[in-house]
Amino acid sequence: DTGVSQDPRHKITKRGQNVTFRCDPISEHNRLYWYRQTLGQGPEFLTYFQNEAQLEKSRLLSDRFSAERPKGSFSTLEIQRTEQGDSAMYLCASSPQGSDYGYTFGSGTRLTVV
Amino acid sequence: RKEVEQDPGPFNVPEGATVAFNCTYSNSASQSFFWYRQDCRKEPKLLMSVYSSGNEDGRFTAQLNRASQYISLLIRDSKLSDSATYLCVVNPHTGTASKLTFGTGTRLQVTL
Repeated sequence: DTGVSQDPRHKITKRGQNVTFRCDPISEHNRLYWYRQTLGQGPEFLTYFQNEAQLEKSRLLSDRFSAERPKGSFSTLEIQRTEQGDSAMYLCASSPQGSDYGYTFGSGTRLTVV
Repeated sequence: RKEVEQDPGPFNVPEGATVAFNCTYSNSASQSFFWYRQDCRKEPKLLMSVYSSGNEDGRFTAQLNRASQYISLLIRDSKLSDSATYLCVVNPHTGTASKLTFGTGTRLQVTL
């Protein structure tokens, strides 16, 4: 499989619990991005990595959110003490450095906080 | 003002019709532009890049007007399978695909 993989596809969690999502980018892509999308909205930027370095974080990424890409390959996004407002689709995407051809997205992880 | 603005629609058109979407962006320094397609509950997928000279891919034509800061997408001979949300996307950085900014999307429904 040469696409971007995300796991799990769906996650239902109780408010206050911690959740972690995983993203495996296309292997030759060294840039990895996390976006969040709620119903009726376009994807909103959360953060991105170039190799293992986290180069930018959005103000949307509160202290409860943390992302890592320890070996420059897969990435994890953790949300601590989830709130109902965290319910959304979390999308991961990757691209080669220097590319001006847009991203390739994974299928996303749909989070529902109850 | 939003960085990227689109009419959310929905645009309801009969099969075979021509439909056009516009999008405006606020950052005049933006360097690259895209249209993505998103089917219901699926991930966005790159439809086409948008160049200053305009570009065409089959039934789809994209145009960029830098002076007015708007981007358009024209779909000719609409098919039922074109029903989706079309996202206008802007990248303010030259030569890199960092931090793309997405519009809210325009929903297209093609009917028989």
